[in-house]
Amino acid sequence: AQSVTQLGSHVSVSEGALVLLRCNYSSSVPPYLFWYVQYPNQGLQLLLKYTSAATLVKGINGFEAEFKKSETSFHLTKPSAHMSDAAEYFCAVTRGGYNKLIFGAGTRLAVHP
Amino acid sequence: GAVVSQHPSRVICKSGTSVKIECRSLDFQATTMFWYRQFPKQSLMLMATSNEGSKATYEQGVEKDKFLINHASLTLSTLTVTSAHPEDSSFYICSASSAGGDTYEQYFGPGTRLTVT
Repeated sequence: AQSVTQLGSHVSVSEGALVLLRCNYSSSVPPYLFWYVQYPNQGLQLLLKYTSAATLVKGINGFEAEFKKSETSFHLTKPSAHMSDAAEYFCAVTRGGYNKLIFGAGTRLAVHP
Repeated sequence: GAVVSQHPSRVICKSGTSVKIECRSLDFQATTMFWYRQFPKQSLMLMATSNEGSKATYEQGVEKDKFLINHASLTLSTLTVTSAHPEDSSFYICSASSAGGDTYEQYFGPGTRLTVT
């Protein structure tokens, strides 16, 4: 079985500060991992994905994530937060040849001036 | 590319009536579509998976007679909430994936806010 744990339901940072959103996964097979962003009353937008290629994945809007098998982690980072980054972020896992996603509980990112 | 639309974006209906939500893949053929439900400030809960031309597979605890899913074509899936009640009020999101591309990538619609009065 696969699962995802997002540590911290709320994260607050100052504009310009580092953003770090944590995601740990559990999977008995090599995972595919995703980060999605959701703005209020909207669907999900894919930020980036890991599918067993490079362990450091760069996404849109300056976000990146690193797959660390030894730590079973896939944390999302951005060097400098913008006000527009305020949103809900979801980490998700699946496996090769299977397209059902398992979502984490989500982390709400607040960015203050 | 890979755009998914939903209609309507918002709907208000009276208790006991039925409401249909459409999910369309606009620029690709979606062999599989997913329907999710999201409660306020919570994660997405997968309700069902539908493959074109076959019956939907419902997740445990989801009433298939209440949430009717039809995937009649490669670009359209519908979710009908039958005999809606206030507890069915929620944000419903669909997603679609294509067998021709990365089968593990889902493209999400913008969601439909259902309010049952």
